Amino acid sequence: EPEVTQTPSHQVTQMGQEVILRCVPISNHLYFYWYRQILGQKVEFLVSFYNNEISEKSEIFDDQFSVERPDGSNFTLKIRSTKLEDSAMYFCASNKGLTEQYFGPGTRLTVT
Amino acid sequence: DQQVKQNSPSLSVQEGRISILNCDYTNSMFDYFLWYKKYPAEGPTFLISISSIKDKNEDGRFTVFLNKSAKHLSLHIVPSQPGDSAVYFCAAKGGATNKLIFGTGTLLAVQP
Repeated sequence: EPEVTQTPSHQVTQMGQEVILRCVPISNHLYFYWYRQILGQKVEFLVSFYNNEISEKSEIFDDQFSVERPDGSNFTLKIRSTKLEDSAMYFCASNKGLTEQYFGPGTRLTVT
Repeated sequence: DQQVKQNSPSLSVQEGRISILNCDYTNSMFDYFLWYKKYPAEGPTFLISISSIKDKNEDGRFTVFLNKSAKHLSLHIVPSQPGDSAVYFCAAKGGATNKLIFGTGTLLAVQP
């Protein structure tokens, strides 16, 4: 069964550094998403991406965040200058449209 | 932002019995509801969904009930198995947006 994959599984970075989280969505899916879950809190929507552009973003997704689909398979989330409060699990998801979303295993980001 | 609420942080049931997980929502624009299951250190796994035009959807041991007038949905698992022990998240979306709004989750423990 096709799966969403994410790398790395755990990323440790220093405050102020740039990080790139990588995802490979399910191959025939058209919509891609990033969510995050801060420890002990809800899963929160960050951004959705369709047809090579952002279709929706939350207020969390400020100028420090960007997304890109650099080729036909990868979908990336970049945080330009990480803050301590960016420490969280980051989940990538994908779907074909207005249907259930399939999530990857997550990347644990730790900012020190 | 408490648009989706799961008021029971945990639930314990005996193997073979019914598990009932509850979820309330406040936004009347929500028209599609989903349940996800999550094990530690993994991403949310889609279980079952329901559109607002239905009041019940069944898939094997899992049934979701939707009461629109009460803005309430529930997930029934019958019979419960030890492998069902996980955190269960209710999620909702509405209108043209694909953004999922998640509840805080209920930790289900199925005792052998």
